[in-house]
Amino acid sequence: QVQLKESGPGLMQPSETLSLTCTVSGFSLTSNGVGWVRQPLGKGLVWMGTIWAGGSTNYNSAVQSRLSISRDTSKSQVFLKMNSLQPEDTGTYYCARHPFDYWGQGVMVTVSS
Amino acid sequence: DVVMTQTPLSLPVSLGDQASISCRSSQSLVESNGNTHLHWYLQKPGQLPQLLLYKVSNRFSGVPDRFSGSGSETDFILKISRVESEDLGVYYCLQSTHLPYTFGAGTKLELK
Repeated sequence: QVQLKESGPGLMQPSETLSLTCTVSGFSLTSNGVGWVRQPLGKGLVWMGTIWAGGSTNYNSAVQSRLSISRDTSKSQVFLKMNSLQPEDTGTYYCARHPFDYWGQGVMVTVSS
Repeated sequence: DVVMTQTPLSLPVSLGDQASISCRSSQSLVESNGNTHLHWYLQKPGQLPQLLLYKVSNRFSGVPDRFSGSGSETDFILKISRVESEDLGVYYCLQSTHLPYTFGAGTKLELK
């Protein structure tokens, strides 16, 4: 069955670079895109970006200058890297298969000094 | 960016009630091929969002038929025919017709 699982550090310092991994199973990254969605604590959902089946990417302009999404198809993994972290980047980060039908459990990231 | 406006933000109900949630977009969500990429999710407390309806009115696998969706262009409705306790949580609409994809602010379905 389709599964996605995020992994990464839970606590980050301001100005550091966040690296998250989404490991997928039950589908191929060359057949479906994978997107990242962020949810600040107690708030709503924000699309951050998507890497498409062909390998191209689209990003939300609000984070585009700091965000990079890449993948390793041989390992069925999608990567999120976001630099210059600030406390407002705190929240739960989800990866989801496009068209956002299956989601990972999410990983909570706290940015604090 | 397409702004998705959900109303109401809070919807107190009694079990067995019918519930309706509105989602309005700032521009048409109809794609050039005729598809409308408007989807509905439920996020229960402490859980990940789960897809209920995709492309306006199509129920996702395992979703009960008490959930239905309708609408076109810029105005969409999610209806729950008889609310059950497992339906409580926050409902979000998502448009994936236009980049950047955008969610509504959420509607909290809670008990009176």
